[in-house]
Amino acid sequence: DGGITQSPKYLFRKEGQNVTLSCEQNLNHDAMYWYRQDPGQGLRLIYYSQIVNDFQKGDIAEGYSVSREKKESFPLTVTSAQKNPTAFYLCASIEGGPNSPLHFGNGTRLTVT
Amino acid sequence: GDSVTQMEGPVTLSEEAFLTINCTYTATGYPSLFWYVQYPGEGLQLLLKATKADDKGSNKGFEATYRKETTSFHLEKGSVQVSDSAVYFCALRTRAGSYQLTFGKGTKLSVIP
Repeated sequence: DGGITQSPKYLFRKEGQNVTLSCEQNLNHDAMYWYRQDPGQGLRLIYYSQIVNDFQKGDIAEGYSVSREKKESFPLTVTSAQKNPTAFYLCASIEGGPNSPLHFGNGTRLTVT
Repeated sequence: GDSVTQMEGPVTLSEEAFLTINCTYTATGYPSLFWYVQYPGEGLQLLLKATKADDKGSNKGFEATYRKETTSFHLEKGSVQVSDSAVYFCALRTRAGSYQLTFGKGTKLSVIP
């Protein structure tokens, strides 16, 4: 079955460490996205990529970095510069076109202590 | 910029009650509108969508009508079940740009037997 795989489901890190969240899709979608979800805040866009080797900052990119070396993969690195990294992170992709829905992975819950 | 406003939750209903979750939006142009559902510990799933004024999206007994005159896209269901307990997100996408979605903050629904 096609879909988006995020791993791991739960991740724990010490403050000051960088951590990379994995996102892999086998839907052959060009565009991929990273969202952050906090209680009562809805979803906020971190980064997005519309094509391999290209990506753009979203609304809350500070303290995060991404790469898009392959169409299937869009890893997110949460750096030590991110002030409040503890959150639920969601990866998504889209086939294309303004009426196409986003397809989401099941998320990674990151806890930094 | 674009924005989505949802009624604040949580909403608690008895099984078989009628559900309405209000959603209004502000956007330039003619956005596509979406409702997503998130079950505990999971990513978001598309529930329904509407792409032009007066369109009605429907799925699993849920309905929402794109009302351009009131800039609204309220979600309704005639008889909720315990299994409908989840967080519901209203979202929009304008035609231009990156196909990213702008989300509301979400409304948590709890259905009790």
